[in-house]
Amino acid sequence: EVQLVQSGAEVKKPGESLKISCKCSGYSFSNYWIGWVRQMPGKGLEWMGIIYPGDSSSKYSPSYGPSFQGQVTISADKSINTAYLQWSSLKASDTATYYCARRGFRSTSWRQGSYYFDFWGQGTLVTVSS
Amino acid sequence: QSALTQPASVSGSPGQSITISCTGTGSDIGGYNYVSWYQQHPGKAPKLIIYEVINRPSGVSNRFSGSRSGNTASLTISGLQAEDEAYYYCCSYTTSSTLIFGGGTKLTVL
Repeated sequence: EVQLVQSGAEVKKPGESLKISCKCSGYSFSNYWIGWVRQMPGKGLEWMGIIYPGDSSSKYSPSYGPSFQGQVTISADKSINTAYLQWSSLKASDTATYYCARRGFRSTSWRQGSYYFDFWGQGTLVTVSS
Repeated sequence: QSALTQPASVSGSPGQSITISCTGTGSDIGGYNYVSWYQQHPGKAPKLIIYEVINRPSGVSNRFSGSRSGNTASLTISGLQAEDEAYYYCCSYTTSSTLIFGGGTKLTVL
């Protein structure tokens, strides 16, 4: 059974750093891209970016949505089947629920294949408040 | 990069059919067969219900169907049931090699 289990809710202050995780099981973690999606309170879904866990070389650097480039860092550790989303300096506007999700199409290339998320984590609520 | 355009809300009675539209441009919906739809119940994670415009994942009811005409994709739900009440989001691949979601549509089953 494919499962994506995310780390628990966080309460942080502006300016603090944070790294949340997404532990994947039930499939070959290295072979499927993992994406992150933001949902601000009462709002819709926003694609943040995506990573290929199978190769950490520059050829497979994470891809980011235009609103998130430079604002967050996506990484993965294939030795423990876990993807990460991190911030170096949180803002109040980062308050949201963050979902990790598996790209359903198995491919080593982001620019080839199909684009949809077939399995999702349960979400991690991040609250940033002074 | 603006979100794809969806109606904020739609409604229907049990047993009826409804259609949710999702409008983009030739740089996203109109340019690729990579439109997907997600159902999200309050407080829950999204669930994939349609991918590649028309395909249903295993286990998804055949009451859900997708289509596309030009730059507009559509999700149709037939034989509405109370459990279909949820938010629905479309998503498309873009020429910038990114993904873009619609703003979401709240479906109310009357």
